[in-house]
Amino acid sequence: DAKTTQPNSMESNEEEPVHLPCNHSTISGTDYIHWYRQLPSQGPEYVIHGLTSNVNNRMASLAIAEDRKSSTLILHRATLRDAAVYYCILRTPMFSGGYNKLIFGAGTRLAVHP
Amino acid sequence: SAVISQKPSRDICQRGTSLTIQCQVDSQVTMMFWYRQQPGQSLTLIATANQGSEATYESGFVIDKFPISRPNLTFSTLTVSNMSPEDSSIYLCSVGGGTGNQPQHFGDGTRLSIL
Repeated sequence: DAKTTQPNSMESNEEEPVHLPCNHSTISGTDYIHWYRQLPSQGPEYVIHGLTSNVNNRMASLAIAEDRKSSTLILHRATLRDAAVYYCILRTPMFSGGYNKLIFGAGTRLAVHP
Repeated sequence: SAVISQKPSRDICQRGTSLTIQCQVDSQVTMMFWYRQQPGQSLTLIATANQGSEATYESGFVIDKFPISRPNLTFSTLTVSNMSPEDSSIYLCSVGGGTGNQPQHFGDGTRLSIL
């Protein structure tokens, strides 16, 4: 499976934007970039995904580099509730059909300060 | 998105016993997954459970230790057998993600402690 690299931890202040980076230099043309987050004592929560173009939804924005070897999850105004572990994961198509299972790395632990 | 309910939400068990965790989804889904999250760690996939077929286990996980049932498109169970303290973890059920363009959804997990 294509691998992603994320910083272990990041910090932000409340109401400031947060840019969470992810490197995926071995990404292939059909790999989707997915982001999930896990709040304390909860299961992972889907945040956003994209293939080539930048994406926006109510939770966040996903900026994908032109060469697709990196991406950035953008939280426009961090709140205390955004303190979580954020996972960047690649979904790769399989020869047998479908896409690979969701495999989690260590992620980035985001701390948000009041 | 699918709503996933797991039972029990937490339990404390004696070593050597077995516990069955239930996962109920509010809609029919083809693919269901079971994950384990050990204390302070990320999630590890245990197995994939598709209705009508045997579960497919990841490396390091075996059916004798983690038998899985998938009787219909909305329900699955994971049994943790002959438990030891090393099995103390959060066990999570997940559905979806059949294509690269579909997200997976997770329950809040079953927090299991073995004494």
